[in-house]
Amino acid sequence: GEDVEQSLFLSVREGDSSVINCTYTDSSSTYLYWYKQEPGAGLQLLTYIFSNMDMKQDQRLTVLLNKKDKHLSLRIADTQTGDSAIYFCAPGRGGSYIPTFGRGTSLIVHP
Amino acid sequence: DAGVIQSPRHEVTEMGQEVTLRCKPISGHDYLFWYRQTMMRGLELLIYFNNNVPIDDSGMPEDRFSAKMPNASFSTLKIQPSEPRDSAVYFCASSLSGTGGLEQYFGPGTRLTVT
Repeated sequence: GEDVEQSLFLSVREGDSSVINCTYTDSSSTYLYWYKQEPGAGLQLLTYIFSNMDMKQDQRLTVLLNKKDKHLSLRIADTQTGDSAIYFCAPGRGGSYIPTFGRGTSLIVHP
Repeated sequence: DAGVIQSPRHEVTEMGQEVTLRCKPISGHDYLFWYRQTMMRGLELLIYFNNNVPIDDSGMPEDRFSAKMPNASFSTLKIQPSEPRDSAVYFCASSLSGTGGLEQYFGPGTRLTVT
C-alpha cells in the first residue's frame, strides 16, 4: 500500500467542522506535518506535531496523533470558503525533518 | 525575500525534446528539493540537495531525469528525452538545516505538458 493514505475528497458546509484523516506506515516519524495547497500554488506548512505529543491546537486547527495506530488527523473548526484547498498529511522520514507526501485531500467548502 | 523562484511557469513540448526546469532557492537555505505532482501519484520527492550536493536521488524515475545544483542559488531539473507520461507539475522547495528544516518553502511550480 501507499506510505501515506488520505481520502481524496471532503465536502463540508461553511461554518461546520472539517476532519481530515490520514494513516501512514513509518512508525519512526518524529515530526508529522500538515501542508496546504491553494489552487495554482505551491504548498505551505499549516502546522506540525512532534511524535511525543498526542494533540496540538493552533487557533482553528486541532491535530490529533495516535502513534500506536499511525493515524493523524486535522480538524478545522468553523470552516470557511477560504479553507478550500488540498491538504497534505506528511509524516517525516524517520527522525529527519524531510516529509513524505501522499496524494492529499481536496477540501471543498460550500455555502 | 522573493521566495523560491521557478521558471518557466508553464512548458509545453513535444515528445522527445529536452526540457530544463529552473529553480532559485531562498537565499541562505542549504537544502533544495525537487518534487513532481500528479493526480495519480500525488507529490513525489525526486531528489534533494544539501549544500549543493545531491543526497538522495532514489526518487528520480529513470535515467532520462537529471538534476544539478552548480551553486547555492540555482538548480536545474532536466528531462531528456521527454515523454507524455512526464506531464506533471514540478515543484522546487528549499529549507534551512537544523530546526529551520521543519518548514519547506515551495515555489509556484512548473506545469509541464508533453504532447
